[in-house]
Amino acid sequence: NAGVTQTPKFRVLKTGQSMTLLCAQDMNHEYMYWYRQDPGMGLRLIHYSVGEGTTAKGEVPDGYNVSRLKKQNFLLGLESAAPSQTSVYFCASSARLAGGPYEQYFGPGTRLTVT
Amino acid sequence: AQSVTQPDIHITVSEGASLELRCNYSYGATPYLFWYVQSPGQGLQLLLKYFSGDTLVQGIKGFEAEFKRSQSSFNLRKPSVHWSDAAEYFCAVGTLNAGNNRKLIWGLGTSLAVNP
Repeated sequence: NAGVTQTPKFRVLKTGQSMTLLCAQDMNHEYMYWYRQDPGMGLRLIHYSVGEGTTAKGEVPDGYNVSRLKKQNFLLGLESAAPSQTSVYFCASSARLAGGPYEQYFGPGTRLTVT
Repeated sequence: AQSVTQPDIHITVSEGASLELRCNYSYGATPYLFWYVQSPGQGLQLLLKYFSGDTLVQGIKGFEAEFKRSQSSFNLRKPSVHWSDAAEYFCAVGTLNAGNNRKLIWGLGTSLAVNP
């Protein structure tokens, strides 16, 4: 049981390049989330998904796209990377429980640098 | 608006001393409350959670937290800190939005340093 895994762990991009971050979970969770973490700004939600085939915007969605084609995978895409997207990206998942609690389980993170 | 405030950005304690990290929330309904810990270079790990019942909850690594509805607080405590507790600590409150989609509202975190 690996929990939540993320690939890659590190990546350096040039401005304008594109890339996809992959998140996979083996807990059969319905909900999945992408966050970015920047110094002094805590965790900010980029996009999330409440089930296979569905996605929704979080608080900082601009410049990112997501897809949830399979229940266990949640992909985060950067179509044209910008230096402002330099950050640590975390994926999380949670179960759909009536009434909660619904703690989120986190992956180890992807450190992305855009030059 | 729903929010979580962690008033202390950075705290330094001596090893063996007691610890209290503060968390205040603003939420209209009964909250689901969480504390997470993030060690350097790692993801976030759940320490403990509160959703109902006993207002004093026990977590992993010897941590506990007390929910005080009258003060809208959920402070994290540990009686004796170990050097390995040096990390970033995040408080979060669970929300249900209009579509019954569950999200967490996060505090900005408290960085804990432990002196030997």
